[in-house]
Amino acid sequence: EAQVTQNPRYLITVTGKKLTVTCSQNMNHEYMSWYRQDPGLGLRQIYYSMNVEVTDKGDVPEGYKVSRKEKRNFPLILESPSPNQTSLYFCASSKRFQETQYFGPGTRLLVL
Amino acid sequence: GENVEQHPSTLSVQEGDSAVIKCTYSDSASNYFPWYKQELGKGPQLIIDIRSNVGEKKDQRIAVTLNKTAKHFSLHITETQPEDSAVYFCAEREFYFGTGTSLTVIP
Repeated sequence: EAQVTQNPRYLITVTGKKLTVTCSQNMNHEYMSWYRQDPGLGLRQIYYSMNVEVTDKGDVPEGYKVSRKEKRNFPLILESPSPNQTSLYFCASSKRFQETQYFGPGTRLLVL
Repeated sequence: GENVEQHPSTLSVQEGDSAVIKCTYSDSASNYFPWYKQELGKGPQLIIDIRSNVGEKKDQRIAVTLNKTAKHFSLHITETQPEDSAVYFCAEREFYFGTGTSLTVIP
């Protein structure tokens, strides 16, 4: 089944404790992206990747890191999480830029 | 980032009626406008998209119109059904999202 998977789905952590949210797609897509969703703000892009080893900042990159060492994986790293990073996070992929985006199921993060 | 305004934020309609959601954008160079449906506890799912070389696109009960001059685009859902109840997001250039419209279809 063609899909985007994210892990974990739910995570509670404390301020400053490094964490990684994994994202994987099995559709051989070139373009991958991370978003955060907050009430009243819609989805905001954090980082995106046009292809392996090519990443760039989105609208809200502060406090986040990403890497794209393989085509299928695009992990999101929070080196020192803070409470303002409490949010619902979505990974998405598409065959190319400005084509149909497929979203993962989301990761709900709470930073205490 | 670019500004995409979406209205209304909530919309309730009777089953069988039509629903219309409108979005405006600011960058006249934008050429791709997708619409997503997000059901509770799930990620957004593309339902229809339109590119700037066409003014309207239909897919069964769903249609999208684009007015490049006025820089706005709209989602039209006809003969609404309870399963259409969800949050709908417009987007500009794939990654600038509107703030969402919560649609409730009353049986």
